[in-house]
Amino acid sequence: EPEVTQTPSHQVTQMGQEVILRCVPISNHLYFYWYRQILGQKVEFLVSFYNNEISEKSEIFDDQFSVERPDGSNFTLKIRSTKLEDSAMYFCAHGGRLWGTDTQYFGPGTRLTVL
Amino acid sequence: DQQVKQNSPSLSVQEGRISILNCDYTNSMFDYFLWYKKYPAEGPTFLISISSIKDKNEDGRFTVFLNKSAKHLSLHIVPSQPGDSAVYFCAASTASNTGKLIFGQGTTLQVKP
Repeated sequence: EPEVTQTPSHQVTQMGQEVILRCVPISNHLYFYWYRQILGQKVEFLVSFYNNEISEKSEIFDDQFSVERPDGSNFTLKIRSTKLEDSAMYFCAHGGRLWGTDTQYFGPGTRLTVL
Repeated sequence: DQQVKQNSPSLSVQEGRISILNCDYTNSMFDYFLWYKKYPAEGPTFLISISSIKDKNEDGRFTVFLNKSAKHLSLHIVPSQPGDSAVYFCAASTASNTGKLIFGQGTTLQVKP
């Protein structure tokens, strides 16, 4: 199974601060996704990113969020000014149809705690 | 708008018996369905999937059944093992979008020794 690593595993921040969550694929992929799961709720789609561009984003993914692939390997999710309700597990995933499979493989997640 | 629903929040079965997890969907455009297993503080782990052109897919102890007319799918685990205890999510995607997955709320399976 293709692997994705995420750092940090846990991030604690103060409300209003910026956070950057990182995703590192083991091999070279073009298609990535970010999802989040608020405690006790379902996993929700945030954004899909293909060939260095956003291809789709959800209503959750507002102006406070951004994604980029700064160095061709790491894939980052930035939250500019965190809110209490941003506390959640954030998952990076890769795969999907343009990669030749409909299956997406998820990283272990970053737990974000906003105080 | 809950396009994918798992109406049973929890299920408890005895080791060795069959576990049946159910999932309903409303969007007729969904053409690919997946089941993921998730432990606390970990990412979802892919289990098994099925394309809408099939009605059954089997992989070892896991079988997924798809009933398109009822917009219903189910995951069967036979025989159930204590290590199967986890939260199970069904997810769906369509060819018309970027392949984003729409998840159900999850069902917590407990397999008792």
